[in-house]
Amino acid sequence: GAVVSQHPSRVICKSGTSVKIECRSLDFQATTMFWYRQFPKQSLMLMATSNEGSKATYEQGVEKDKFLINHASLTLSTLTVTSAHPEDSSFYICSARDEFQRTVVRGSPLHFGNGTRLTVT
Amino acid sequence: TQLLEQSPQFLSIQEGENLTVYCNSSSVFSSLQWYRQEPGEGPVLLVTVVTGGEVKKLKRLTFQFGDARKDSSLHITAAQPGDTGLYLCAGASGGSNYKLTFGKGTLLTVNP
Repeated sequence: GAVVSQHPSRVICKSGTSVKIECRSLDFQATTMFWYRQFPKQSLMLMATSNEGSKATYEQGVEKDKFLINHASLTLSTLTVTSAHPEDSSFYICSARDEFQRTVVRGSPLHFGNGTRLTVT
Repeated sequence: TQLLEQSPQFLSIQEGENLTVYCNSSSVFSSLQWYRQEPGEGPVLLVTVVTGGEVKKLKRLTFQFGDARKDSSLHITAAQPGDTGLYLCAGASGGSNYKLTFGKGTLLTVNP
């Protein structure tokens, strides 16, 4: 089945530094990837939609300059948390949709990465 | 903004009991998906329902999509400790981006 690889799985950084999280679709192409944030025992909150070759679309309340998204290829999207602060500590998850499945399978699901636990000290 | 109300938010039951999780909205979705998530991992897809009134079964799990495609339910029969996890429903809106709207999740604990 389709696999989405997210790296790193855990990262600890100091306040004020930047952290980059990668999301790769391993065996399919993904024009669109999605970035979510999740607090403990809560649901996923969509942060932004990453579009290959164009600017990301951010959800209301998400700072574009703080959460930089780059989707340079059909298999890779990156999320960079700039000037991280302790309140940015969270579980970040990416997802991607198989473009082939989108055309042949109605209701084609998203495939999720295993998440990145970010801790800012 | 499309909203999905998921209930209950927390559920703690004994092994062997049955349970139902509900997902309701005032909006119509083109499809609805159910995921299960374990701590520290990403959600794993359980099922996708696309047709109003559709019922899908996955071993002891039964998923139903409402006739109007605004609500869905997940029923687990004879729950086992291995069913413990966070269950998420997610509705898909149409369009090329296929953005998912997630419910708040149901944290299920099945005690042995």
